[in-house]
Amino acid sequence: NAGVTQTPKFQVLKTGQSMTLQCAQDMNHEYMSWYRQDPGMGLRLIHYSVGAGITDQGEVPNGYNVSRSTTEDFPLRLLSAAPSQTSVYFCASTPGGKQETQYFGPGTRLLVL
Amino acid sequence: QKEVEQDPGPLSVPEGAIVSLNCTYSNSAFQYFMWYRQYSRKGPELLMYTYSSGNKEDGRFTAQVDKSSKYISLFIRDSQPSDSATYLCAMSGDRGSTLGRLYFGRGTQLTVWP
Repeated sequence: NAGVTQTPKFQVLKTGQSMTLQCAQDMNHEYMSWYRQDPGMGLRLIHYSVGAGITDQGEVPNGYNVSRSTTEDFPLRLLSAAPSQTSVYFCASTPGGKQETQYFGPGTRLLVL
Repeated sequence: QKEVEQDPGPLSVPEGAIVSLNCTYSNSAFQYFMWYRQYSRKGPELLMYTYSSGNKEDGRFTAQVDKSSKYISLFIRDSQPSDSATYLCAMSGDRGSTLGRLYFGRGTQLTVWP
């Protein structure tokens, strides 16, 4: 199993550009989540999904869109990047009902100029 | 007020010391309590978890949960330089807004020097 994979590892964007951060898992996990990590702020939940076709907002959803068309994939879209979205983004997955066993991807470092 | 509070440190200790890391929380719906370890430029990895109150031990690591005080702890005995990392506490529940999501503390940066 590859676990949770994220691409790209690093990205530089200009203000106003759009992009999609990819996340995939091969463990057949129902739950998937996106977090951002900023210095001194810990991990903050952006969006999460409890299954294919079901998504919900987390703590900091503004400026981000998600969809979950398959169990395996959970892409995060930035429609119009802003410098405030400079951060490290982590995707995580977990078997349904077992929040204690979240598996994190390696992260995507995003710099918005 | 954040739902989960954690002193960010940094914490610096000599090799062999006992380390105590702590978090407090405000939401009584939390039932699952986790500690994650994150090495520099890596994703968090689950270290330990506890359901409801009580203690759990795994090698040099002990997790404690006191729900009456809304306080959790992680103890590291005989600390090693390889324990140098950021430690994040996290919590979730099984109802309402706590279902299906983790609430993280800010993380405590720990350095163990030889």
